[in-house]
Amino acid sequence: AQKVTQAQTEISVVEKEDVTLDCVYETRDTTYYLFWYKQPPSGELVFLIRRNSFDEQNEISGRYSWNFQKSTSSFNFTITASQVVDSAVYFCALSFNDYKLSFGAGTTVTVRA
Amino acid sequence: GAVVSQHPSRVICKSGTSVKIECRSLDFQATTMFWYRQFPKQSLMLMATSNEGSKATYEQGVEKDKFLINHASLTLSTLTVTSAHPEDSSFYICSAPLGLGEQYFGPGTRLTVT
Repeated sequence: AQKVTQAQTEISVVEKEDVTLDCVYETRDTTYYLFWYKQPPSGELVFLIRRNSFDEQNEISGRYSWNFQKSTSSFNFTITASQVVDSAVYFCALSFNDYKLSFGAGTTVTVRA
Repeated sequence: GAVVSQHPSRVICKSGTSVKIECRSLDFQATTMFWYRQFPKQSLMLMATSNEGSKATYEQGVEKDKFLINHASLTLSTLTVTSAHPEDSSFYICSAPLGLGEQYFGPGTRLTVT
């Protein structure tokens, strides 16, 4: 069975602060995919990143960066210099070759001006 | 990029009626689509896998007679909530895979049953 844990329910920061969202996953499979999605108040899921289990390279995209560590089964997400527009619920998710996604509980990020 | 649409975006219906939600892949074909449900302030839970030309497969605990899924073409899957009740009020989201590991989500349908 697979499981995704996002231990942080809510995070509140002041604009320009950095914020790191934790994601820990459990799986016995060797091939899998990890995702991060953003869900603003409108409800639509915004794709942020996909990583396969064989690619442990960290990635940076603008103010976003991701740290994938198989040794600790973690795929953490950092927003640097946060902005009010970053306020949303962020989901970490896990899938396999069947494309079914298992989502974490989500972390609500509130960025205050 | 690939786009998935859903219709309607919002629907309010009376208890006991049925509601149909459409999910379309606009510029690619999808032999498989997925339906997720999200209750307020909760995560997304997979309900079922919609398979083009064959029966849908439902996740444990999801009533197949209540949530009818039809995947009549390579670009369209429909979810019908039959005899809806207030507890069915939720946000329903579909997705379609494209390529290894890639997944595209529709914008979601907010169902309110009064």
